[in-house]
Amino acid sequence: QVQLQESGPGLVKPSETLSLTCTVSGGSISSYFWSWIRQPAGKGLEWIGRFYTSGTTDYNPSLKNRVTVSVDTSKNQFSLKLSSVTAADTAVYYCARDWSGWYFDLWGGGTLVSVSS
Amino acid sequence: QSVLTQPPSVSAAPGQRVTISCSGSSSNIGNNYVSWYQQLPGTAPKLLIYDNNKRLSGIPDRFSGSKSGTSATLDITGLQTGDEAIYYCGTWDSSLSAGVFGGGTELTVL
Repeated sequence: QVQLQESGPGLVKPSETLSLTCTVSGGSISSYFWSWIRQPAGKGLEWIGRFYTSGTTDYNPSLKNRVTVSVDTSKNQFSLKLSSVTAADTAVYYCARDWSGWYFDLWGGGTLVSVSS
Repeated sequence: QSVLTQPPSVSAAPGQRVTISCSGSSSNIGNNYVSWYQQLPGTAPKLLIYDNNKRLSGIPDRFSGSKSGTSATLDITGLQTGDEAIYYCGTWDSSLSAGVFGGGTELTVL
């Protein structure tokens, strides 16, 4: 079955760029939307942005100026870059398969990213 | 401040029924499908209900969803202690062009 796994640094310094990768195994990354979602400790879910393998992207308006989501179909991976991070960006970051934004049926296990000097 | 509004907590006894509400607007719930997720402590959210009222394969029929206008509801019957979790509603917001979630509702089975 299709599985997702996030990877990347667990610690990022303030003002630097957070970079995460989600590897999709057991199925093709093509012809789907792929989203990033985050969750600060003890708080709710926040949708960050998504990429469709045709090249379409959508971003949360509150993060739009700092976010880039991209896909590498040759590696069956998609990535998140969040620039100029602050402590407020500390959260567990999830990747998920996105069905038109209406629902997310597959999730990675999540990876904790802390922003601290 | 979440775009969708959920009660922070609900509780009920084992075997009883509980309803979790999710309120939005015409730009999100009113014109898009709603989904529901269960998040157990320390784990990723798990999709329960999609397209307002469809259960994901393997989800017990004790869980059901509905939508009316700009609100949606998750019903859980025959409560079990294993149902204790935080439940989130979600949908797409056509005005924001963004995915949106409720703030989450913590279910306690007394």
